[in-house]
Amino acid sequence: EVQLVESGGGLVQPGGSLRLSCAASGFTFSSYWMSWVRQAPGKGLEWVANIKQDGSEKYYVDSVKGRFTISRDNAKNSLYLQMNSLRAEDTAVYYCARAPPTIAAAGNTQFDYWGQGTLVTVSS
Amino acid sequence: VIWMTQSPSLLSASTGDRVIISCRMSQGISSYLAWYQQKPGKAPELLIYAASTLQSGVPSRFSGSGSGTDFTLTISCLQSEDFATYYCQQYYSFPPTFGQGTKVEIK
Repeated sequence: EVQLVESGGGLVQPGGSLRLSCAASGFTFSSYWMSWVRQAPGKGLEWVANIKQDGSEKYYVDSVKGRFTISRDNAKNSLYLQMNSLRAEDTAVYYCARAPPTIAAAGNTQFDYWGQGTLVTVSS
Repeated sequence: VIWMTQSPSLLSASTGDRVIISCRMSQGISSYLAWYQQKPGKAPELLIYAASTLQSGVPSRFSGSGSGTDFTLTISCLQSEDFATYYCQQYYSFPPTFGQGTKVEIK
C-alpha cells in the first residue's frame, strides 16, 4: 500500500524557516517524480515544487523561488522541503504528492497519491 | 498562463441526482486534465486523468469527458459519500495548475 506521511509543520514567525519531511512507503520511491502541493486555509490547491527521480531536476512555482528548496533522499525514501524567509501567505497545509510514471518534461502530470498533509502557519 | 474556470463554485444536489461540473481553459490543453475529490480535512484523491480515464478503484458513476478547452466531470447517481469539493487540474503547460474548486453540498 502506497503511503506518504508528512511531518515538520508548525507555527513559525515571518522570516523564519521550517523543514518539511515526507516519508514514503509501499512503492519504489526512487522511480517517481515527487511534488509538494499546498492549500491555504479555505482555498484551492497550488503546486509548489517537484523533483526528478534522481534529484537532478527541480522546479518551483515563482512565488517560492529562491526561498524554498526541494530535495530527496532515496536511501531513506524521503522527500523534503526546506522553507526559508517564510511569509504569512505561505500559511497552508502542505501535501506531499506522487506523480505516476511519466515521460513528460519537468514531470508535468497528474498526482496519483497524496499524503495527509502538514499545516504550516506563519504568524507573529 | 492558462486560466481555468470551474463552474459552478457551489452545487446543491440530492442523493441520486446526476451532477455535472465544468472546467474551461483559456487555451487548448488537448486531454491533459485530471479531476480530484477532496473531503473536509482530507487530502485530494485522484478520480480521473487524461480527461476521461478512470483511476483504479474509483467507482464507475464518475466519468470525465472533453478535450481542448472544455471538460466535464459527471457523477451519474450521486451517493452520500460524494458530497465533497472537486478540483480540475491541467498538466499541459508547466507549472500544473488547479481550478478553484466546486463544492457539492446536500440540497
